[in-house]
Amino acid sequence: RKEVEQDPGPFNVPEGATVAFNCTYSNSASQSFFWYRQDCRKEPKLLMSVYSSGNEDGRFTAQLNRASQYISLLIRDSKLSDSATYLCVVNPSSNSGYALNFGKGTSLLVTP
Amino acid sequence: EPEVTQTPSHQVTQMGQEVILRCVPISNHLYFYWYRQILGQKVEFLVSFYNNEISEKSEIFDDQFSVERPDGSNFTLKIRSTKLEDSAMYFCAGAQRELDTQYFGPGTRLTVL
Repeated sequence: RKEVEQDPGPFNVPEGATVAFNCTYSNSASQSFFWYRQDCRKEPKLLMSVYSSGNEDGRFTAQLNRASQYISLLIRDSKLSDSATYLCVVNPSSNSGYALNFGKGTSLLVTP
Repeated sequence: EPEVTQTPSHQVTQMGQEVILRCVPISNHLYFYWYRQILGQKVEFLVSFYNNEISEKSEIFDDQFSVERPDGSNFTLKIRSTKLEDSAMYFCAGAQRELDTQYFGPGTRLTVL
């Protein structure tokens, strides 16, 4: 199964900071891309889908570069509640039964 | 807002015993999945299920594992003879259409002693 790679961190940032996470994927046929958030011992929860044109949801901006097979997530004005693990997730292709392929996650700790 | 539910939240079992993990997906979802996450590791795909058939399974999903949708609402994962290395969080997920967002249940923590 082809891989999704992320920097595991941890990223320790003060409240109000801007932080960026990066992710690369190896399957060039991948069709859809997501950022999920996972709190300790909880289920992954969708943060946002990632589109080729880039998309923004409040303080969160996601970018996809298909040529470089690279996905990014930018969090502006970090809040304490943003502390979590951020999972880069790729849906490879119809040949995979639409099973999600997860990165190991990047840990973020936002401090007062 | 509808949610995926899973029972039990925590299951402790002895090695070699059978366990059944249960999931109730969101009612209008048609694609169903089981994933697992060993403590400290990434979420791993086990099996996908559509139209009452397995669509794909990973190398983890060996003959000890089976899935069923017995009554049109529940979706179960059975492990016939548990091993120590089956200890993990098991997440059920569902989606309305292929390539749609998958929504995860809260998970069942399986501890094999």
